[in-house]
Amino acid sequence: EDQVTQSPEALRLQEGESSSLNCSYTVSGLRGLFWYRQDPGKGPEFLFTLYSAGEEKEKERLKATLTKKESFLHITAPKPEDSATYLCAVQGGEGNAGNMLTFGGGTRLMVKP
Amino acid sequence: DAGVIQSPRHEVTEMGQEVTLRCKPISGHNSLFWYRQTMMRGLELLIYFNNNVPIDDSGMPEDRFSAKMPNASFSTLKIQPSEPRDSAVYFCASSLGGPTEAFFGQGTRLTVV
Repeated sequence: EDQVTQSPEALRLQEGESSSLNCSYTVSGLRGLFWYRQDPGKGPEFLFTLYSAGEEKEKERLKATLTKKESFLHITAPKPEDSATYLCAVQGGEGNAGNMLTFGGGTRLMVKP
Repeated sequence: DAGVIQSPRHEVTEMGQEVTLRCKPISGHNSLFWYRQTMMRGLELLIYFNNNVPIDDSGMPEDRFSAKMPNASFSTLKIQPSEPRDSAVYFCASSLGGPTEAFFGQGTRLTVV
């Protein structure tokens, strides 16, 4: 069974204070690892897909990296508008069953001005 | 494209009543997922369809829950009879299948009193 664990559960940062969110996973045959952002009252919004260890993706102040056991979401010089819950999900296995996404519990990020 | 469309956005019902949630996936997507989100359990996958066929329904809590996908552009999740512990936000998501990202709707907030 695929498992995803995110840490910390909550993170408070001052504006401009860089940090990283962690996503540890156990999956049989990783097909993809996904990062999402969720704002209160809204559905998760897709950010990045990573497919293999060593891969990195960047978007504005966010950078996602992947190893064989975990992924990090690095936030550089965050702004208050980066405050949200960040979710990590994995796809693993074979065939159609491998299309399912298993989510972690998320990290709630709060950036204070 | 308007994205994944869910209705209703909010539903308040009395215990024992039947509840039907609706979802229109993104045109051209062949994978559809129903998730339930609560503070305690996070995002849980309820059921996954591929090409309108249910592939995995192991996340459906019990026989009170049922889901259908009569065609590529419509799916329903039904709860009968509803119970207070079913109160949650229910999300529908769709994807192109394979190791690709899923796009989420805005969710239906269900309250059973």
